[in-house]
Amino acid sequence: QKEVEQNSGPLSVPEGAIASLNCTYSDRVSQSFFWYRQYSGKSPELIMSIYSNGDKEDGRFTAQLNKASQYVSLLIRDSQPSDSATYLCAVNKRVAGANSKLTFGKGITLSVRP
Amino acid sequence: DADVTQTPRNRITKTGKRIMLECSQTKGHDRMYWYRQDPGLGLRLIYYSFDVKDINKGEISDGYSVSRQAQAKFSLSLESAIPNQTALYFCATSPSLKQGSRDSPLHFGNGTRLTVT
Repeated sequence: QKEVEQNSGPLSVPEGAIASLNCTYSDRVSQSFFWYRQYSGKSPELIMSIYSNGDKEDGRFTAQLNKASQYVSLLIRDSQPSDSATYLCAVNKRVAGANSKLTFGKGITLSVRP
Repeated sequence: DADVTQTPRNRITKTGKRIMLECSQTKGHDRMYWYRQDPGLGLRLIYYSFDVKDINKGEISDGYSVSRQAQAKFSLSLESAIPNQTALYFCATSPSLKQGSRDSPLHFGNGTRLTVT
């Protein structure tokens, strides 16, 4: 099983819809979870961090974490064409003391149709 | 504004050449990382450094070497470039962790697009 898996894409939604992006991870000791957005040819930019079970909302974005089921998701409400990008899930786990390792999923490409 | 700067932004080189990609940061972060990104494969970790005297191999370090010249500088070298090292390379930084603190996300540079012919 891959350490971090994202559902295969691409994902296409109409403008104004809710886009749901999912990610599962294999290691139960994982502690920190991040969603990055990456436009084509650009660097990843952080859009959400989540550390505790439940929902975390920031504007049109909501991250959801369920450690028992080992999944983390990102909901984008009122999707806009400018949300069209690749979304990367990243999972951090402590490996020794204060050291940690961040693993990325392969990403899912979202297309928002006007 | 604090920044993570990669040079060059684009590089075309020939098979067998030695090249160096450079990364400098003004964020004051102790930790620095080099990733490569290939279509369909996501971001893969090449090397990482938790401080100036600490260098660690990532999942795909073969064919690469690094140098941490200072807290702010972390260079990636390809000793003898080959075509399958054609990729987009990212440097990233993060602050050191304090015990009991939450992990911080990575801050990425703008990337270097490397083509090996």
